[in-house]
Amino acid sequence: EPEVTQTPSHQVTQMGQEVILRCVPISNHLYFYWYRQILGQKVEFLVSFYNNEISEKSEIFDDQFSVERPDGSNFTLKIRSTKLEDSAMYFCASSEDRTQHFGDGTRLSIL
Amino acid sequence: GENVEQHPSTLSVQEGDSAVIKCTYSDSASNYFPWYKQELGKRPQLIIDIRSNVGEKKDQRIAVTLNKTAKHFSLHITETQPEDSAVYFCAASGSQGNLIFGKGTKLSVKP
Repeated sequence: EPEVTQTPSHQVTQMGQEVILRCVPISNHLYFYWYRQILGQKVEFLVSFYNNEISEKSEIFDDQFSVERPDGSNFTLKIRSTKLEDSAMYFCASSEDRTQHFGDGTRLSIL
Repeated sequence: GENVEQHPSTLSVQEGDSAVIKCTYSDSASNYFPWYKQELGKRPQLIIDIRSNVGEKKDQRIAVTLNKTAKHFSLHITETQPEDSAVYFCAASGSQGNLIFGKGTKLSVKP
């Protein structure tokens, strides 16, 4: 069964540094999403992406965040200047219709 | 925007008993309601979903019911097994597709 893959599995970064989280969605999917989950809390929507542009974003997704689909396979989330509160698990998801398939996530730790 | 409330936050049952988790949503435009199971440190995995044109859906030991008028939906697990122990999240989404999650229910099934 095809899967969403995310790299790295764990990223440790100093506060103020830029970080890029990478995702390879399932190949025939057209809709891409980023979610985050702070430890012990619920999964929170960040941004959705379709047809090479952002279709919706949440209040969390401020100017420090950006997404890109640099080629035909990767989907990236960039945080420009990380803060301590950005520490969380970041999940990428993709869908063909309504059913969203999640990757294993990247655990981001900000020191 | 959409808001999803989920109850209870924790649920402990004996093996073989049934478990029921309830969610309410606020946006009457929401029309897709998935349930995800998340084991510790793992990705959310879709276990069942329901669309707003259906009142009930069943898949083996798992069923979901939807009451559009009252804006609530429920997950029913029958004949629970220890491997059902996990955190369960309900979610709701509208036409844009992004999922708004509840806070989760930690289900413990005691052998």
